[in-house]
Amino acid sequence: GAGVSQTPSNKVTEKGKYVELRCDPISGHTALYWYRQSLGQGPEFLIYFQGTGAADDSGLPNDRFFAVRPEGSVSTLKIQRTERGDSAVYLCASSSGLRADTQYFGPGTRLTVL
Amino acid sequence: DAKTTQPPSMDCAEGRAANLPCNHSTISGNEYVYWYRQIHSQGPQYIIHGLKNNETNEMASLIITEDRKSSTLILPHATLRDTAVYYCIVRARSGNTGKLIFGQGTTLQVKP
Repeated sequence: GAGVSQTPSNKVTEKGKYVELRCDPISGHTALYWYRQSLGQGPEFLIYFQGTGAADDSGLPNDRFFAVRPEGSVSTLKIQRTERGDSAVYLCASSSGLRADTQYFGPGTRLTVL
Repeated sequence: DAKTTQPPSMDCAEGRAANLPCNHSTISGNEYVYWYRQIHSQGPQYIIHGLKNNETNEMASLIITEDRKSSTLILPHATLRDTAVYYCIVRARSGNTGKLIFGQGTTLQVKP
């Protein structure tokens, strides 16, 4: 079946602008994760949703970052007043939400802030 | 979640077995060992996971030492397409959010 999809694949924006990144998880997966990967580093956890609610947002770097998942499926990561340091690949993963579940990743969105 | 230590890079000849080590000396009894890999410009790909028994699937084998302080991922017949960064991660599968904590991983270069 279809895997995790993310749009857009690339986003270029200017410093100070607002951006939204979208994630479509695997159908039926109740758990959804956002990660951020800077050049040469491993992915870093940002936020975890179980259903519609954010169960763990401890990885969000500051209040410019926000994510929603209003219907428990698609999720949007929102970044306000973007800074050059926000440039990275933003990865989304989903899992079944059951105990002993494996996370499956999307291809990521490459965000470049000029 | 326990921390892992992996060599930064390894080479392997095409067609030979690639053996990627991982140390996780502080692993807890309820923590599993997961392996993911990331091919250039793609999202991480799940490979295999295990608790204490050795595991095998169509991609790889996972050998976990009896004391669980280290493990080895084995790609039995490496191909050029196996060139990637390989991440060893330990995490509990209950009682937490399930987030994955990635280290620097091992960059495996498969050479013809």
